[in-house]
Amino acid sequence: DTGVSQDPRHKITKRGQNVTFRCDPISEHNRLYWYRQTLGQGPEFLTYFQNEAQLEKSRLLSDRFSAERPKGSFSTLEIQRTEQGDSAMYLCASSQTGIGGYTFGSGTRLTVV
Amino acid sequence: EDQVTQSPEALRLQEGESSSLNCSYTVSGLRGLFWYRQDPGKGPEFLFTLYSAGEEKEKERLKATLTKKESFLHITAPKPEDSATYLCAVQVRRDSNYKLTFGKGTLLTVNP
Repeated sequence: DTGVSQDPRHKITKRGQNVTFRCDPISEHNRLYWYRQTLGQGPEFLTYFQNEAQLEKSRLLSDRFSAERPKGSFSTLEIQRTEQGDSAMYLCASSQTGIGGYTFGSGTRLTVV
Repeated sequence: EDQVTQSPEALRLQEGESSSLNCSYTVSGLRGLFWYRQDPGKGPEFLFTLYSAGEEKEKERLKATLTKKESFLHITAPKPEDSATYLCAVQVRRDSNYKLTFGKGTLLTVNP
């Protein structure tokens, strides 16, 4: 593995459309995180998986957001009925133990027009 | 509520001009403090983790220190390639999910 992979790198969508992002973590890492970052801000926690179980969701994650991690491998983040306020960089990160920080992917830049 | 404040928001240095970035934090039970570097359009890149007051870590021209209230990232004789946003983040003991709470970052520009 060369690191955490995210796809796509960029996504432009019209307001009201659904979008899905994919994250492939480092293979031996059982913890996976999604963060959101807007311009001039630090990343904000969205949700966390340990293996296939989604153990925590931030209050930032409205009902339009859903995340999955089938079989504890890759993860997807879906946003339904996108709004302009959803425009941001969506970052995925993974770690083995949680201690010592984690490795981030390059992110998916979402623009809602 | 856990808070992380970074200063300055932006810093412009000449090549070779040493300086420090500050990260002050207010948390209940610090597990660890993290420094990341972020280049435009990319994800954060891990630099250091500090766990207890008095601890120091070094990597090339960067040195991170930690007290009970703040952390400093010292940059010695910076080069233009050190230009990036530097992010500070904390983990707290009560969070079994090991999530990170980030500051807004310091945008560092090093001019040749």
